[in-house]
Amino acid sequence: AQKVTQAQTEISVVEKEDVTLDCVYETRDTTYYLFWYKQPPSGELVFLIRRNSFDEQNEISGRYSWNFQKSTSSFNFTITASQVVDSAVYFCALSEYRGNQFYFGTGTSLTVIP
Amino acid sequence: AAGVIQSPRHLIKEKRETATLKCYPIPRHDTVYWYQQGPGQDPQFLISFYEKMQSDKGSIPDRFSAQQFSDYHSELNMSSLELGDSALYFCASSLNVETSGRISTDTQYFGPGTRLTVL
Repeated sequence: AQKVTQAQTEISVVEKEDVTLDCVYETRDTTYYLFWYKQPPSGELVFLIRRNSFDEQNEISGRYSWNFQKSTSSFNFTITASQVVDSAVYFCALSEYRGNQFYFGTGTSLTVIP
Repeated sequence: AAGVIQSPRHLIKEKRETATLKCYPIPRHDTVYWYQQGPGQDPQFLISFYEKMQSDKGSIPDRFSAQQFSDYHSELNMSSLELGDSALYFCASSLNVETSGRISTDTQYFGPGTRLTVL
């Protein structure tokens, strides 16, 4: 069973629009970690954020913000005032305390149209 | 800041040949991970090493093997290559802490990847 679900396969927005990327996860562990990575067309995976299961405080970093809701097992990512450079595939990932491998979602391809 | 280094960046091989991918983790990171990402797919975990010992195993084919050396760099050896092995291979590293026999997961930082093409 998929541990991380990113239901949005592709999203297109016009520059300066806000966009939210959804991530729903599944785990039986009480301690776990959630991550977002960005994969631009060049291919590398860029770390964006890490959140542990005990910290439900939402985080804002510039135009990026993350909403962690344990009650709904979601860890959504919002980009405010999107820019063309935000065009990339975004992966949500889960790491459980029992092991150290990452479980990636299938990714959301974001295209920001100028 | 130093990042994860992977070599080569691109590799072209024929079917049934062998390939060796190398990964140099961020200095002082003690854990290395290997992932395979097929076209349009999410990265799939292959294997990881903590302090030079295999710590976790994912969907790594029997034709592949890996190890971590005393300087913490890692190599992924791939034999009897098949067309389906064509993919982007990522290495990641992290600094983990072992507490009561369990490894506490820290952020994985990924290298730029090696793009393997099997003809």
